[in-house]
Amino acid sequence: DAKTTQPPSMDCAEGRAANLPCNHSTISGNEYVYWYRQIHSQGPQYIIHGLKNNETNEMASLIITEDRKSSTLILPHATLRDTAVYYCIVRANDYKLSFGAGTTVTVRA
Amino acid sequence: GAVVSQHPSRVICKSGTSVKIECRSLDFQATTMFWYRQFPKQSLMLMATSNEGSKATYEQGVEKDKFLINHASLTLSTLTVTSAHPEDSSFYICSAREGRGASEAFFGQGTRLTVV
Repeated sequence: DAKTTQPPSMDCAEGRAANLPCNHSTISGNEYVYWYRQIHSQGPQYIIHGLKNNETNEMASLIITEDRKSSTLILPHATLRDTAVYYCIVRANDYKLSFGAGTTVTVRA
Repeated sequence: GAVVSQHPSRVICKSGTSVKIECRSLDFQATTMFWYRQFPKQSLMLMATSNEGSKATYEQGVEKDKFLINHASLTLSTLTVTSAHPEDSSFYICSAREGRGASEAFFGQGTRLTVV
């Protein structure tokens, strides 16, 4: 499985955009990039996924570089409830999701 | 998104007993379900993959005789921790994926198991 690299933590001001980077330099051509988040003591929550094109939904936007070696998750207007561990995952063809350490995002008032 | 429900959310059991955890997909048929375990301050670790009507596939290092997985229907998978010991205390999480090319997997809320 392609590995991902994320910063261990980041702070964000409430109301501002949060940009979460992820490197996946060994990604294969048919592997998708997924983002999940986990709020303390809960199961992970699906956020967004993409292959090549940028994607946007009601929660976030996903920007994937043209060479697909990195991506950025954008939370447009962070709230205190967005404080969580964010996981960037490259999904294998068998649909298994391998979780790394993720980025602990703390949104501050 | 689709809803995946786990039961119970918390369980305390005595060492040597068995505990069953249920994972249900409430509004879709899950052809594949995954079971994860998460120790404190660590990330999720995949334990096994189960497909409806067939035997589960376990990840390396996971004892299949200790962690029994049954996926008897398209909406229900169960994980039974047999002869539980304190080191089995953990947060167990299931996820489910609908077939037919669906991409996302949705997660249950997790089960906190404490073995005393």
